[in-house]
Amino acid sequence: AQKVTQAQTEISVVEKEDVTLDCVYETRDTTYYLFWYKQPPSGELVFLIRRNSFDEQNEISGRYSWNFQKSTSSFNFTITASQVVDSAVYFCALRLEYGNKLVFGAGTILRVKS
Amino acid sequence: DTEVTQTPKHLVMGMTNKKSLKCEQHMGHRAMYWYKQKAKKPPELMFVYSYEKLSINESVPSRFSPECPNSSLLNLHLHALQPEDSALYLCASSPGQGVGAYEQYFGPGTRLTVT
Repeated sequence: AQKVTQAQTEISVVEKEDVTLDCVYETRDTTYYLFWYKQPPSGELVFLIRRNSFDEQNEISGRYSWNFQKSTSSFNFTITASQVVDSAVYFCALRLEYGNKLVFGAGTILRVKS
Repeated sequence: DTEVTQTPKHLVMGMTNKKSLKCEQHMGHRAMYWYKQKAKKPPELMFVYSYEKLSINESVPSRFSPECPNSSLLNLHLHALQPEDSALYLCASSPGQGVGAYEQYFGPGTRLTVT
């Protein structure tokens, strides 16, 4: 069975601090896809990134960066110089190669204070 | 454009009412989804439509009835709901379905309250 664990229930930081959100996943499949979504208070889930299991390159997009390590089954997300607008719930999710179903982690609430 | 729209934004209904939630996408996606999200929980998959046919029903009670009139529209018909059905209902779509690398794009959701 597949499982995604986001051990950090809630994180509070002060604006301009860097913050890392942890994601650990479990699957026996060799091909799978990992995702991060952001859910601001408005409710919409905003897609941030997809990472394929066969591509271990890290990625940077502006203030966002992602560290994918198959050896530790982790897909961590770092926000550099956090801003108040980054305050949201962040979900990590896993999907197998065959199937539509996203397996979500419990989510991490990020609060950025000014 | 990666926009999925949903109407209404908010809905309050009694347990004897019949109402519908609507979802629309114009990205040419061939798979559409309904999710239910309770407060402080991740979304839970309810239904998946692939090429306008129901492909997944996650054992959802029959008081929820999905419908896919065409490739751009997805409805969720509600009847005789219970207060515990109050939640945020999210629609999503994806360019692929089943096999392969693709992501799901979500709409803003409908906040449903059952009184």
